[in-house]
Amino acid sequence: QSVLTQPPSVSAAPGQKVTISCSGTSSNIGNHYVSWYQQFPGTAPKLLIYENNKRPSGIPDRFSGSKSGTSATLGITGLQTGDEADYYCGAWDTSLSPGVFGGGTKLTVL
Amino acid sequence: EVKLVESGGGLVEPGGSLRLSCAASGFIFTDAWMSWVRQAPGKGLEWVGRIKMKTDGGTADHAAPVKGRFSISRDDSKNMVYLQMNSLKIEDTSVYYCTTVTWAGTVDYWGQGILVTVSS
Repeated sequence: QSVLTQPPSVSAAPGQKVTISCSGTSSNIGNHYVSWYQQFPGTAPKLLIYENNKRPSGIPDRFSGSKSGTSATLGITGLQTGDEADYYCGAWDTSLSPGVFGGGTKLTVL
Repeated sequence: EVKLVESGGGLVEPGGSLRLSCAASGFIFTDAWMSWVRQAPGKGLEWVGRIKMKTDGGTADHAAPVKGRFSISRDDSKNMVYLQMNSLKIEDTSVYYCTTVTWAGTVDYWGQGILVTVSS
């Protein structure tokens, strides 16, 4: 059971918008930055969002991140079939060194 | 271009030891915090530990499931980071990723991963 709670799966139609939630505590999300990762089967994860809402170079602005209190949200607009992947949130944790990840959310683009 | 290349994985019996190595290039290694993240087959991501750069103390922190059994170290003269794994358990079977990690907790670069299988 992961420390950060994510829904196991989400789905939406191409072109639509989806959000993925990540719930934590004051030990992690409440007092640390949140990052998000995208992982396709058989490959290493890739950084999608860092420091709550920043996008690395090359990540389209269809991807966005936000944080409020002990929860964070990843938003994806203009869904494409190529966005089908697993998405993970992560943060440092003051109590559980060094950090924690969410259990992952499988995105299906119908 | 940042490159992280893991080596040293394979099959080991329960109770055995293994050392993973990670060769880093494409960035100033001495300025980087490094970490190991693992992923059991069909499961999610799990922190193994991190090691800070020397100017931040060079200390290593390990996750509870591996504390006392695993140890992360680095050799700045060789741009290498290591994961020494002792007293391996079946539940340590995972793909192990070598990564860079920022002070803010961002895992910005990942290696391709290397499989460690603990089985008799």
